[in-house]
Amino acid sequence: DAGVIQSPRHEVTEMGQEVTLRCKPISGHNSLFWYRQTMMRGLELLIYFNNNVPIDDSGMPEDRFSAKMPNASFSTLKIQPSEPRDSAVYFCASSLALSYGYTFGSGTRLTVV
Amino acid sequence: KNQVEQSPQSLIILEGKNCTLQCNYTVSPFSNLRWYKQDTGRGPVSLTIMTFSENTKSNGRYTATLDADTKQSSLHITASQLSDSASYICVVSAGANSKLTFGKGITLSVRP
Repeated sequence: DAGVIQSPRHEVTEMGQEVTLRCKPISGHNSLFWYRQTMMRGLELLIYFNNNVPIDDSGMPEDRFSAKMPNASFSTLKIQPSEPRDSAVYFCASSLALSYGYTFGSGTRLTVV
Repeated sequence: KNQVEQSPQSLIILEGKNCTLQCNYTVSPFSNLRWYKQDTGRGPVSLTIMTFSENTKSNGRYTATLDADTKQSSLHITASQLSDSASYICVVSAGANSKLTFGKGITLSVRP
């Protein structure tokens, strides 16, 4: 298994532009998570899905952020419009169930200038 | 408010030495505690998951302990190697929905 696959690995964009991050979870995993990591705040959960349904999006910073999971093998995190304070590493993770260990992707490093 | 505090913030040790990383938490109701290793530029990788009834769990040269009474956990690394240089993150899961609370991590540098 190739693990959790995220794309792109790096993204540099101008303030105000739309950014879309992509994630392919491990086949058979029912739970998918989006995290954001910064030096100041560490890892923060943004949203998670169970069986493609959003369960908890309380970590999503504001309306500029949205996430979708149209099927069991694909999810997107969209930021529109992007701002410099959104600069961070965004991780996607998946697991068999909430109580199981998570497998993280390699992350997308987003820089908004 | 659920919190996870890790100490020290960073640590430098010589190759071959042992070290212990600490994690204190105020998370309720406790479900499980996880230690992750994160190499620079990579995603976190799970080392151990411990439930309420487990006091010790080992994964190779890594040994995690859990004291649910004092709400403390430690990660002991034996005979450190250069490849152990990474950030070690303590994560505590709470409640039926297993909501996770993350520590900010401990940066370990192993020098030759």
